[in-house]
Amino acid sequence: EAGVAQSPRYKIIEKRQSVAFWCNPISGHATLYWYQQILGQGPKLLIQFQNNGVVDDSQLPKDRFSAERLKGVDSTLKIQPAKLEDSAVYLCASSPTKLAGGTDTQYFGPGTRLTVL
Amino acid sequence: GESVGLHLPTLSVQEGDNSIINCAYSNSASDYFIWYKQESGKGPQFIIDIRSNMDKRQGQRVTVLLNKTVKHLSLQIAATQPGDSAVYFCAEGGKAAGNKLTFGGGTRVLVKP
Repeated sequence: EAGVAQSPRYKIIEKRQSVAFWCNPISGHATLYWYQQILGQGPKLLIQFQNNGVVDDSQLPKDRFSAERLKGVDSTLKIQPAKLEDSAVYLCASSPTKLAGGTDTQYFGPGTRLTVL
Repeated sequence: GESVGLHLPTLSVQEGDNSIINCAYSNSASDYFIWYKQESGKGPQFIIDIRSNMDKRQGQRVTVLLNKTVKHLSLQIAATQPGDSAVYFCAEGGKAAGNKLTFGGGTRVLVKP
C-alpha cells in the first residue's frame, strides 16, 4: 500500500513570496491533516479535512495560510505571503474513516521542508 | 505546550539494552494515545497506540504502558538497535479534543554501539 505522498520535498523562498505544497493521502482515507513542525518541536495541527469539508482550522493563520481539498482526495496548502517564522517542515497525514466516535491512527508523509530567507 | 526548541531531552542507550521513554500528557479526558518515531528528514512513523480502556499493549520489541491516574505514558523498546536512533513523540487524542492529536515535545534516543 502506497503511503502519503508530498511534494516538493524542499523549498527555499524569500519572505513575502508565495508557496504551495501538495499532498496525496493513502487511498481510501477520508481524513486529511496538515501540520507544521518547527525544528525541535512536535507537529502542530493547522487544518483537518473530512472528505472535502473542513473539520477544524482553528490553528490556521488564515491571513496568510489557505488549504483546500476540492475533490476529497488531494490537498494543497498555500502560504501567501511567507514570513521568516514560517520556516518549518509541513507534514501531511491521513487516517481512515473514523470508527464509531474514536480517534484513528494518522499516517504521515515525508514532509516539505520550507526555508524562508 | 512550551517550546523545547533545539534542546530535546536525550536518552543515550547502549546497543542491546532496553530503552524507556516517558511522556506526561495533559488532558485527563484523552482516550487515545500514540507513539511515533521520526528519523532525520522523514515524517513521523507510527509505532504503537493504546486506548484508555487498556493499561498495556505490546508490539514487536515495543510495549506501551498507560497510567491514567498520573497521566503518564511510556514506551519501552527491547534490545535497542542502532536503527532505533531517532526522535520519539507521544501524542494524545480523543472525543473531548474532537479526535485531534496533540503532540508532546519529543525525546531523542541515541544508541551507542
